[in-house]
Amino acid sequence: QVQLVESGGGVVQPGRSLRLSCAASGFTFSYYGMHWVRQAPGKGLEWVAIISYDGSDKYYADSVKGRFTISRDTSKNTLFLQMNSLRAEDTAVYYCAKDLYNFGSGNWGPGDYWGQGTLVTVSS
Amino acid sequence: EIVMTQSPATLSVSPGERATLSCRASQSVSSNLAWYQQKPGRAPRLLIYGASTRATGIPARFSGSGSGTEFTLTVSSLQSEDFALYYCQQYNNWPPYTFGQGTKLEIK
Repeated sequence: QVQLVESGGGVVQPGRSLRLSCAASGFTFSYYGMHWVRQAPGKGLEWVAIISYDGSDKYYADSVKGRFTISRDTSKNTLFLQMNSLRAEDTAVYYCAKDLYNFGSGNWGPGDYWGQGTLVTVSS
Repeated sequence: EIVMTQSPATLSVSPGERATLSCRASQSVSSNLAWYQQKPGRAPRLLIYGASTRATGIPARFSGSGSGTEFTLTVSSLQSEDFALYYCQQYNNWPPYTFGQGTKLEIK
């Protein structure tokens, strides 16, 4: 069965960096695009970034563009989110999600499987 | 950026009755619309994609309809486990993918 396990969250001071990981299993990781989505405490869902199945295409929300970098290591079936210049407003639970469609479809879609999330708190 | 607006913010329905949740897009998203369910402390679960296709393992009491800018999620005969937060998301014009603000479905 599909399993996504995030790690790397924690408390970090404003302006510092953090790298999140998402370990994937139960599906052919190299076939699917992957998302990061976050949720601030008590708030709704905010899409953060997406990476294509092969890592060649990456897109970001304006709120994180230039500060966050999404990447993947197919040999380790792992997705990453490098977060630099962190701000208080980046405080959230960060989820990774597998895209619904595989590379053969030529489409990008919603996240059909999600991890349990990892909490990032940016505070001095 | 496409703005997704959900209504109502809170919907109170009795178990066994039908719930109808709405989602409106600020411009057409064709049928590229998904619905998620989220329970407290849990990750979102994909219910519906393509506006009307149920995701794997989703019970038939969940149904989606609509296209363009107006969408509906219907939960027929509400079960206790259906009381949760529901979000719509468009994936037609991106980046960014955008979510609605959510509808809380609560027990009446």
